[in-house]
Amino acid sequence: DTAVSQTPKYLVTQMGNDKSIKCEQNLGHDTMYWYKQDSKKFLKIMFSYNNKELIINETVPNRFSPKSPDKAHLNLHINSLELGDSAVYFCASSLPTENTEAFFGQGTRLTVV
Amino acid sequence: AQSVTQLGSHVSVSEGALVLLRCNYSSSVPPYLFWYVQYPNQGLQLLLKYTTGATLVKGINGFEAEFKKSETSFHLTKPSAHMSDAAEYFCAVRVARDDKIIFGKGTRLHILP
Repeated sequence: DTAVSQTPKYLVTQMGNDKSIKCEQNLGHDTMYWYKQDSKKFLKIMFSYNNKELIINETVPNRFSPKSPDKAHLNLHINSLELGDSAVYFCASSLPTENTEAFFGQGTRLTVV
Repeated sequence: AQSVTQLGSHVSVSEGALVLLRCNYSSSVPPYLFWYVQYPNQGLQLLLKYTTGATLVKGINGFEAEFKKSETSFHLTKPSAHMSDAAEYFCAVRVARDDKIIFGKGTRLHILP
């Protein structure tokens, strides 16, 4: 069983389109994240949710809207896609305590053309 | 604010040689430190973590790291490199009362035959 699963793994789309990435975790964690990894492999946190509540929003454009229907799911919807949105997006989850690690999904490679 | 700095974006070692990947952290409160590995086109996998207690931490695949508070360092080592160790390595920090894990910029490890 995959602990943190994301779909789709690859996403190619045109500028201006709207797309969603889905994430599910079966670890029973309360905290979920979205990270963006750019072409230089730099990982930057975008959002953090704790038990469906938004905790962190790291000055991400309003075109990005996370939604957590329950604590096992955290989806990412992106409106009006731009070339600069091309990246790998990782979903992760963890327990809400500071001495625990995050478990990552396999990533979604988004290419905007 | 907390941060981590990884020295060297690329490190090359010969197969069988010592691996040393450097990480320094900045934190005003006791940090929790992690090393992750990322193989091509995959998500991040935890190698090891330091929370409290023993400062020498052993992880998977023969890796270990030592927390040195006086040097604010958490360097990753492995006595003998294998070809399979070629990957991207990330040092990360999580601070008490914070819901995010902050990553360094990563170090690509190359293993020379």
